[in-house]
Amino acid sequence: EAGVVQSPRYKIIEKKQPVAFWCNPISGHNTLYWYLQNLGQGPELLIRYENEEAVDDSQLPKDRFSAERLKGVDSTLKIQPAELGDSAVYLCASSPAGSSYNEQFFGPGTRLTVL
Amino acid sequence: DAKTTQPNSMESNEEEPVHLPCNHSTISGTDYIHWYRQLPSQGPEYVIHGLTSNVNNRMASLAIAEDRKSSTLILHRATLRDAAVYYCILRSPSIAGTALIFGKGTTLSVSS
Repeated sequence: EAGVVQSPRYKIIEKKQPVAFWCNPISGHNTLYWYLQNLGQGPELLIRYENEEAVDDSQLPKDRFSAERLKGVDSTLKIQPAELGDSAVYLCASSPAGSSYNEQFFGPGTRLTVL
Repeated sequence: DAKTTQPNSMESNEEEPVHLPCNHSTISGTDYIHWYRQLPSQGPEYVIHGLTSNVNNRMASLAIAEDRKSSTLILHRATLRDAAVYYCILRSPSIAGTALIFGKGTTLSVSS
């Protein structure tokens, strides 16, 4: 079974440029998460989807970040414009519905460097 | 979610057992104890979870104190591939589906 797929794995951009990350969750997983991981820290949630609905986006900086999951499958996270402080790893995870202990499956992440 | 406390780092030699501690003195009666680990340049991966009884799986064992205020993840024979950051996370079934709340975890180094 294929795991969570993310692309690109690495991205280098100049500040003020836009950037987008793509995630394809494990087939059949209804819940999709985007996490941000700064160097030396644990991941922190940016947004959570249940199917195509964003059910928790309280930590998403909405002035520059946006996300979508139009058909309830794959998802895109966008930053426009990027700032130096956005340099981090962006992780996507998915989880099946109805799991009482809610194991989450993570992709390898996209490492963003903003110059 | 209740808070957990883990040592910043630990060291081990290859093929020796490793005991990774986690304190969670404010754990509630329904909180499950989950462990995830993150290998270098990869996303976190699930390791094991438990409620009250000790648990074993192919990756590790989880020993839970009788009062549930602490737990220990046990790697029976560490390999170089076990070098990772290990996170201890408490989860309530009532919030199934919500985000995992990670601390800084314990960075495990394994030497040959």
